[in-house]
Amino acid sequence: GAVVSQHPSWVICKSGTSVKIECRSLDFQATTMFWYRQFPKQSLMLMATSNEGSKATYEQGVEKDKFLINHASLTLSTLTVTSAHPEDSSFYICSASRRAGGGNSPLHFGNGTRLTVT
Amino acid sequence: KQEVTQIPAALSVPEGENLVLNCSFTDSAIYNLQWFRQDPGKGLTSLLLIQSSQREQTSGRLNASLDKSSGRSTLYIAASQPGDSATYLCAVRRYLENSGGSNYKLTFGKGTLLTVNP
Repeated sequence: GAVVSQHPSWVICKSGTSVKIECRSLDFQATTMFWYRQFPKQSLMLMATSNEGSKATYEQGVEKDKFLINHASLTLSTLTVTSAHPEDSSFYICSASRRAGGGNSPLHFGNGTRLTVT
Repeated sequence: KQEVTQIPAALSVPEGENLVLNCSFTDSAIYNLQWFRQDPGKGLTSLLLIQSSQREQTSGRLNASLDKSSGRSTLYIAASQPGDSATYLCAVRRYLENSGGSNYKLTFGKGTLLTVNP
């Protein structure tokens, strides 16, 4: 149980276009979902936290108008990278938790999305 | 600010060897600590979760210990196999008052790249 599906697994887009990444919890209700970004040989950096039905909370330095997050249901959160630029090329990973805010429960991660902006 | 360090950054061992991966963190006021495995280009798989009140957790050939006061955790892998080859990430969770989105912040280390040679 506790499967998180992320789609697409990889995407190549042209500079200036927008890309949407989906994160679904397949067999549980995810009250809270987290979005991370990982650059090569670096640790995962939290971008934002989304609680179902409310606006996402962004970490310092992350532009909320560039990285649009929607968490409209208990099983789906989306991250849209708007007007993508080559420096946005990275590995984006979502994680989901049954408990609001994550709490002390394990986090379950998607398989990530490799975004390449040309 | 919490910092998580993992040593070594890379490790190569022959099949069958027992090995230890190290994780240290600067702020001992943690809620829990979680070890993950990440295969190339993939998301994270949770291996073990240790609550702050616990000293160790075991799952199969894996054993994780936690010494919260000294800010250290180790992941012990017994009888290593080529299939164990992956990057192992350590992440600590803290509780932060007045933190938007989620009060439980997860901080990751950069990981240890493990190669088990047949």
